Amino acid sequence: DADVTQTPRNRITKTGKRIMLECSQTKGHDRMYWYRQDPGLGLQLIYYSFDVKDINKGEISDGYSVSRQAQAKFSLSLESAIPNQTALYFCATAGRATTGNTGELFFGEGSRLTVL
Amino acid sequence: GNSVTQMEGPVTLSEEAFLTINCTYTATGYPSLFWYVQYPGEGLQLLLKATKADDKGSNKGFEATYRKETTSFHLEKGSVQVSDSAVYFCALRTGGGNKLTFGTGTQLKVEL
Repeated sequence: DADVTQTPRNRITKTGKRIMLECSQTKGHDRMYWYRQDPGLGLQLIYYSFDVKDINKGEISDGYSVSRQAQAKFSLSLESAIPNQTALYFCATAGRATTGNTGELFFGEGSRLTVL
Repeated sequence: GNSVTQMEGPVTLSEEAFLTINCTYTATGYPSLFWYVQYPGEGLQLLLKATKADDKGSNKGFEATYRKETTSFHLEKGSVQVSDSAVYFCALRTGGGNKLTFGTGTQLKVEL
């Protein structure tokens, strides 16, 4: 089983609908991240969380919200989806510096979202 | 702010050819530098990294040297294989928090 699991892997939805992407991890990491990948733009950081009570905006947080339900779970929501949110979304985790954090991010396999 | 510039792809090579993917960066302070690889249908995974000037990261035959004077971290491999076909991302990190700034990615296609 994957250490970082994202659901759903693929979703097609309509403009205006609410959509939630879920991420769970078994790595025991405190830090979790949501990235968006668009062709020609690389990865852009949407939100990140260093522990259950800590949520921070990334570069492109407008139109998104997140919830850190537990150390192992970090959900991304689009309250009212629009077509330019069509993208590939990645969840990632990282360990804390005190636990030998090497700066490495561990990524899930991605959730492909299409907004019609 | 921080930024990473990679050569545009796709890069198409024959098996056993030499590979170079250029990466240059702009950053405040002293960044750590990374190369991540994304195989088809998968998430990104760390390929190699370097944390200070003149460090060389290496893994699976790939190498990259942190050149502070040219603000570069070019990825090289002496002999590519079909299995190396993937998208390669250069990235940097300044400060804590594992917040990485990624380049746009370079697609590599290796043909027989």
